[in-house]
Amino acid sequence: AQSVTQLGSHVSVSEGALVLLRCNYSSSVPPYLFWYVQYPNQGLQLLLKYTTGATLVKGINGFEAEFKKSETSFHLTKPSAHMSDAAEYFCAVSFYGGATNKLIFGTGTLLAVQP
Amino acid sequence: NAGVTQTPKFQVLKTGQSMTLQCAQDMNHEYMSWYRQDPGMGLRLIHYSVGAGITDQGEVPNGYNVSRSTTEDFPLRLLSAAPSQTSVYFCASTLEGGRGAVNGYTFGSGTRLTVV
Repeated sequence: AQSVTQLGSHVSVSEGALVLLRCNYSSSVPPYLFWYVQYPNQGLQLLLKYTTGATLVKGINGFEAEFKKSETSFHLTKPSAHMSDAAEYFCAVSFYGGATNKLIFGTGTLLAVQP
Repeated sequence: NAGVTQTPKFQVLKTGQSMTLQCAQDMNHEYMSWYRQDPGMGLRLIHYSVGAGITDQGEVPNGYNVSRSTTEDFPLRLLSAAPSQTSVYFCASTLEGGRGAVNGYTFGSGTRLTVV
């Protein structure tokens, strides 16, 4: 069965510091992996995705993530946090099976950025 | 603007009342789904549809009904609201099949529902 685990429900960093949000997945088929961001009182916005090809993917707002098959991980990073990065981040795995596609979410990580 | 439109944005219901959350998309997406978001639990799939006339249950379907009479619309019905249904509800859509799995989902802005 497919599943997603996000380590750390709350992460706090200082402005300018490295952001690292952890995501591990379990999948019996090659996964498609996504990071979504949710700003307060808004919907989910796609940040970046891994489907095939290059394992280091770049997204919007300076974020990137690396697919590591051996570690079943897809951690999200940003070299220097900005106040505007404060939001909730969701890792998700997508797959196609049983004649339909499904998207399974982790429980989310709330990122706080301190001045 | 193309996308997923949800109405209403906010709603307060009394226990036992019924209501319908509306969802419409104009991207000709075959696949539509409803999620609920609760603190510490991420997003959980309620119901989904792979095309007009076809619906199926997700992870937490109890207390909710859906129908899909057109490609564009996918309403979610609460027949008898309960406090446990207090949540934020998101509608999402994508292409069907492998293309949808690769593309990811487009989400609406959500409906914040409180049942008292």
